[in-house]
Amino acid sequence: AAGVIQSPRHLIKEKRETATLKCYPIPRHDTVYWYQQGPGQDPQFLISFYEKMQSDKGSIPDRFSAQQFSDYHSELNMSSLELGDSALYFCASSHENTIYFGEGSWLTVV
Amino acid sequence: GQQLNQSPQSMFIQEGEDVSMNCTSSSIFNTWLWYKQEPGEGPVLLIALYKAGELTSNGRLTAQFGITRKDSFLNISASIPSDVGIYFCAGQLGNAGNMLTFGGGTRLMVKP
Repeated sequence: AAGVIQSPRHLIKEKRETATLKCYPIPRHDTVYWYQQGPGQDPQFLISFYEKMQSDKGSIPDRFSAQQFSDYHSELNMSSLELGDSALYFCASSHENTIYFGEGSWLTVV
Repeated sequence: GQQLNQSPQSMFIQEGEDVSMNCTSSSIFNTWLWYKQEPGEGPVLLIALYKAGELTSNGRLTAQFGITRKDSFLNISASIPSDVGIYFCAGQLGNAGNMLTFGGGTRLMVKP
């Protein structure tokens, strides 16, 4: 079965650079979530979209923005990267309340 | 905000033993989800619970949605080495798109 697809899987950026992560939800899923997970931490909610509109907002820094496009894929844009942004970023998708996660994108800021 | 207390934080058991872990919250949830995560990978959905009192099984896994809607447990019977990983509970209140709140995770280690 098709899963949530995230790209890139690994990304290395320097401080103050910009990074964009992409997420392709499971077909017919209308909701996308973004999470950030630091080493040894549980996933922290950043932001979500339902039917291309922002649905809920968590601890997303002002330097980050995201959107969901007409084909339901989503992108997380991160600017002015800091060392502390190094983490595993997950996208998840759902139709109603069953939420499936992608494999994640590893971001390393050096 | 909502917080989930998950316990135990870690378990080191013998292969073949049963395992039980639980999550409690100060707030109610409409949905409880249980995930397993292995290092460097995404959380994999194990069981989803949608109604208070619901008891659901998935192979050797059984989970229940507490009657008060503030707690849930996950049991694993006859553990095997491939059960090793971190198990997370997660709760969601409201409609699609509302944030999913995670517990702190239970790290399970199984000795063959």
